[in-house]
Amino acid sequence: QKEVEQDPGPLSVPEGAIVSLNCTYSNSAFQYFMWYRQYSRKGPELLMYTYSSGNKEDGRFTAQVDKSSKYISLFIRDSQPSDSATYLCAITNYGGSQGNLIFGKGTKLSVKP
Amino acid sequence: KAGVTQTPRYLIKTRGQQVTLSCSPISGHRSVSWYQQTPGQGLQFLFEYFSETQRNKGNFPGRFSGRQFSNSRSEMNVSTLELGDSALYLCASSLAGESYEQYFGPGTRLTVT
Repeated sequence: QKEVEQDPGPLSVPEGAIVSLNCTYSNSAFQYFMWYRQYSRKGPELLMYTYSSGNKEDGRFTAQVDKSSKYISLFIRDSQPSDSATYLCAITNYGGSQGNLIFGKGTKLSVKP
Repeated sequence: KAGVTQTPRYLIKTRGQQVTLSCSPISGHRSVSWYQQTPGQGLQFLFEYFSETQRNKGNFPGRFSGRQFSNSRSEMNVSTLELGDSALYLCASSLAGESYEQYFGPGTRLTVT
């Protein structure tokens, strides 16, 4: 079983739609959960990270973590064509000196005008 | 503040050659991590350096190596290149090794022929 599973999509939605992106993970030791956005031919851009179960909001983006189900989600409200990119979830089992990021394979999102 | 920079951006090498990639972290960041991104395997952790010491290493063969200089700049080297080493190599920096808050550069696209 892979440590992080993410549906690769592609996912196509009309402009203004609410987008839901999801990942599952296998090891309950993981403590930090990140979402990155990667445009074509660019490096990943950190959108947000969360530590505990619950929701964290930043503008149109909401990250949700359910540790009991080992399930993480990213919601994008009022999606825009500029949101078209690949979204990567990442987890790490430590902060500080002992961690490295473990990534999902990414979900390719296309927002149509 | 300038972001993470990587040079060169594109590189074409022949099987059996070696290559050196360079990464300059965000000013003030002391930790540099390297990742390999391929369509099949996604983003995979190579190694992390902090204060010129390798602190963490992923599951890659010894042909992959790196180092960090006193100004936090980092290089990675791949010897005896194989076709399967063709990938986007990404460097990420963080302030003091917080794996949950890493910032990526644009990457070096390596093609091995």
